[in-house]
Amino acid sequence: AQTVTQSQPEMSVQEAETVTLSCTYDTSESDYYLFWYKQPPSRQMILVIRQEAYKQQNATENRFSVNFQKAAKSFSLKISDSQLGDAAMYFCAYRGPNYGGSQGNLIFGKGTKLSVKP
Amino acid sequence: GAGVSQSPRYKVAKRGQDVALRCDPISGHVSLFWYQQALGQGPEFLTYFQNEAQLDKSGLPSDRFFAERPEGSVSTLKIQRTQQEDSAVYLCASSGTISGNQPQHFGDGTRLSIL
Repeated sequence: AQTVTQSQPEMSVQEAETVTLSCTYDTSESDYYLFWYKQPPSRQMILVIRQEAYKQQNATENRFSVNFQKAAKSFSLKISDSQLGDAAMYFCAYRGPNYGGSQGNLIFGKGTKLSVKP
Repeated sequence: GAGVSQSPRYKVAKRGQDVALRCDPISGHVSLFWYQQALGQGPEFLTYFQNEAQLDKSGLPSDRFFAERPEGSVSTLKIQRTQQEDSAVYLCASSGTISGNQPQHFGDGTRLSIL
């Protein structure tokens, strides 16, 4: 069974600094998708960034980028120039391939609570 | 609508009561997912619909949980004879296609508290 592990329950960063959130996963598949979601206190899960496993290039969305290490099954999120609005729970999620009976549900880690200090 | 809408936002029920949670996905979205999020945890998959067909209900914790999407749009998650362990946030998500490249869009969730 696939699993997603986030080993940092809480992280803190100074405003304007850079922070990296860690995520590892376990799967026997070679084709899959990885996501980072942000969940503020309002509870809505907001997609931050996504990565297809077949793509070697790391995904980037403005201040957010990932370090995808397929062999190590690692998928860390880097937030540059941290802003107060970045404070939230961050969840790493895995989705299996479209074939093989996978229905597309996401498997989430337990989350990392990010605090941003002014 | 512009996003996934869930109602009610909060629901308090006494143990043993039945509850119904509603999800209105983004118009035209084929895939619909329900997740359960316990306090301090990540969401866990409950069930999946492709249009009106419930293709996967492997995550439903017991036969007290039932979900439907009769016309392939709005979905209802029903919990019968609620127990305290059912207290959680219930999230609904929809996706335009079954492609893994298409992200799931989440609603604000329903926070269910069982007294």
